[in-house]
Amino acid sequence: AQSVTQLGSHVSVSEGALVLLRCNYSSSVPPYLFWYVQYPNQGLQLLLKYTTGATLVKGINGFEAEFKKSETSFHLTKPSAHMSDAAEYFCAVSEGFGNEKLTFGTGTRLTIIP
Amino acid sequence: GAGVSQTPSNKVTEKGKYVELRCDPISGHTALYWYRQSLGQGPEFLIYFQGTGAADDSGLPNDRFFAVRPEGSVSTLKIQRTERGDSAVYLCASRSPGLGSNEQFFGPGTRLTVL
Repeated sequence: AQSVTQLGSHVSVSEGALVLLRCNYSSSVPPYLFWYVQYPNQGLQLLLKYTTGATLVKGINGFEAEFKKSETSFHLTKPSAHMSDAAEYFCAVSEGFGNEKLTFGTGTRLTIIP
Repeated sequence: GAGVSQTPSNKVTEKGKYVELRCDPISGHTALYWYRQSLGQGPEFLIYFQGTGAADDSGLPNDRFFAVRPEGSVSTLKIQRTERGDSAVYLCASRSPGLGSNEQFFGPGTRLTVL
């Protein structure tokens, strides 16, 4: 069984400040990990993913995340927040090839303060 | 179109009625998923199709929910005897075939309201 915990349902940061959204997962097999972003009235869009290989992954819009097996974490960061980053962010896990269904966290709403 | 499309975008129905929600995946994508997103929650897995067959329907909450994909492309999620608790956004996603393909592309969803 898989599960995802996102700490902080709401996060506010000032424009230009560091963005840190936390994600911890539980999986009985080596996980595939994803971050999706959802803008108002739009579908989910993939920001980045980790499957195998390099543990620091870079995504779109300047976001990156690091897979830390020892901490079962996959936190999302961005060095400098932009107003356009305001959205809902979801962390998700799957058990990889052959069982690709995603288990999502409850989401973190990111607000950017001008 | 280039992306996953879902119709209708909004559906309002009365308790006890039957509804059908449609998903058109990206052309050539053999894998198709349905998820349900309740207010304030992340999406929850319902069912996964590989081609025409349901490979995993473990997320369907009960036998009022059923989904088909008769030709391996368009899928329809069917809900019988709707209940107020079925109100949610129903999301469809598709994925291309082949090893190493693990990104699911999501549609905009159908917002179902059961009165």
